[in-house]
Amino acid sequence: QLQLQESGPGLVKPSETLSLTCTVSGVSISSTNFYWGWVRQPPGRGLEWIANIYSGGSAYYNPSLKSRVTISLHTSQVSLKLTSVTAADTAVYYCARLYTYCSGPCYDGFDIWGQGTMVTVSS
Amino acid sequence: EIVMTQSPATLSVSPGERATLSCRASQSVSSNLAWYQQKPGQAPRLLIYGASSRATGIPVRFSGSGSGTEFTLTISSLQSEDFAVYYCQQYKDWSPLTFGGGTKVEIK
Repeated sequence: QLQLQESGPGLVKPSETLSLTCTVSGVSISSTNFYWGWVRQPPGRGLEWIANIYSGGSAYYNPSLKSRVTISLHTSQVSLKLTSVTAADTAVYYCARLYTYCSGPCYDGFDIWGQGTMVTVSS
Repeated sequence: EIVMTQSPATLSVSPGERATLSCRASQSVSSNLAWYQQKPGQAPRLLIYGASSRATGIPVRFSGSGSGTEFTLTISSLQSEDFAVYYCQQYKDWSPLTFGGGTKVEIK
């Protein structure tokens, strides 16, 4: 059964680089034709999409974060790096699989999510 | 950027009643819209994709409708486990993918 598990430092100082890892179990990332994404949620607020990456390596970024974000794949992990963090980057960070449903037209949905990892940016 | 606007922000409903949630896109997204449910301390859960198709394991009391810029999520008879926050998300334009601000469904 496919499961996603995020991990990260918990606390990051302002201006530093945040590195997060999503470990995927139950399927080989490279052998499946899926997108994998990161979504974040500041405390008490809504959801913000950060980036997606295809199993073949193509990446898509939120333009508002693109200059600071890198998403990458490594065997069974999806990684996210966010540079020059500020307090505004404090959030729960989720990784998720983007599934494409096709019966005629094709439609997407983040169908499997990790439980999320809280990241606080503070000195 | 396609802006997704959800209304109302909070919906007070009694168990067993129908709940109707709205989502409006700032430009057409065709049927490239999904709905998610999120409970406190949990990750979002996919309910609806393609504006009207239920995801695997989602009860039939959840239904989605609409296309273009106007969408609706209906919960036909609210159960205790349905009190949560609901988000819509558009997939038409990936630059960026955008979520609505959410509708909180609370017990009346």
